[in-house]
Amino acid sequence: EDQVTQSPEALRLQEGESSSLNCSYTVSGLRGLFWYRQDPGKGPEFLFTLYSAGEEKEKERLKATLTKKESFLHITAPKPEDSATYLCAVRGQAGTALIFGKGTTLSVSS
Amino acid sequence: SQTIHQWPATLVQPVGSPLSLECTVEGTSNPNLYWYRQAAGRGLQLLFYSVGIGQISSEVPQNLSASRPQDRQFILSSKKLLLSDSGFYLCAWSPRRLAGADGETQYFGPGTRLLVL
Repeated sequence: EDQVTQSPEALRLQEGESSSLNCSYTVSGLRGLFWYRQDPGKGPEFLFTLYSAGEEKEKERLKATLTKKESFLHITAPKPEDSATYLCAVRGQAGTALIFGKGTTLSVSS
Repeated sequence: SQTIHQWPATLVQPVGSPLSLECTVEGTSNPNLYWYRQAAGRGLQLLFYSVGIGQISSEVPQNLSASRPQDRQFILSSKKLLLSDSGFYLCAWSPRRLAGADGETQYFGPGTRLLVL
């Protein structure tokens, strides 16, 4: 069964304090790993898609990496506006559905 | 650019009442469309997807149904709501290609928060 586990559930950082969020997955034939950002009461906002181990993508202070078992979302020198819940999802060979983790809620204080 | 709309934004309904949530997409043709539910403390769960007008696939058995009367319109319905139907409902779209294909990124709407009392 395809499964996604995100850790930690919650993360508190000081402004400028870099850290990483983890997404561990088990899937039959990975056909994409997706990162989204979700603000309270809003729909998820697409950040990155990764397809194969070793792939990396960057956007502003965020960098996503992928191995055969997990993905990391690295946040460098975060700002308060980076506070949100970050969701990881995978699609496997089995079908159409994205399988989502429960998310990591990031709080950045100034 | 593409835009996805959902309404209403918030809805409070009594148990046993009907439901109709609407989703429309602008700026693209023949999109794949999806309905997800996000319950408190749980991940997003795919409920339905559609690759074309009148074509609906259900991922989980439930009290809900979906319809696609027009190319860029997706409707989520129920004849009688249950308490367990409460949650945050999200519509998503992806560019037209075989649903589930590599490269198929899904883009989400603003969501509808449903509270069944």
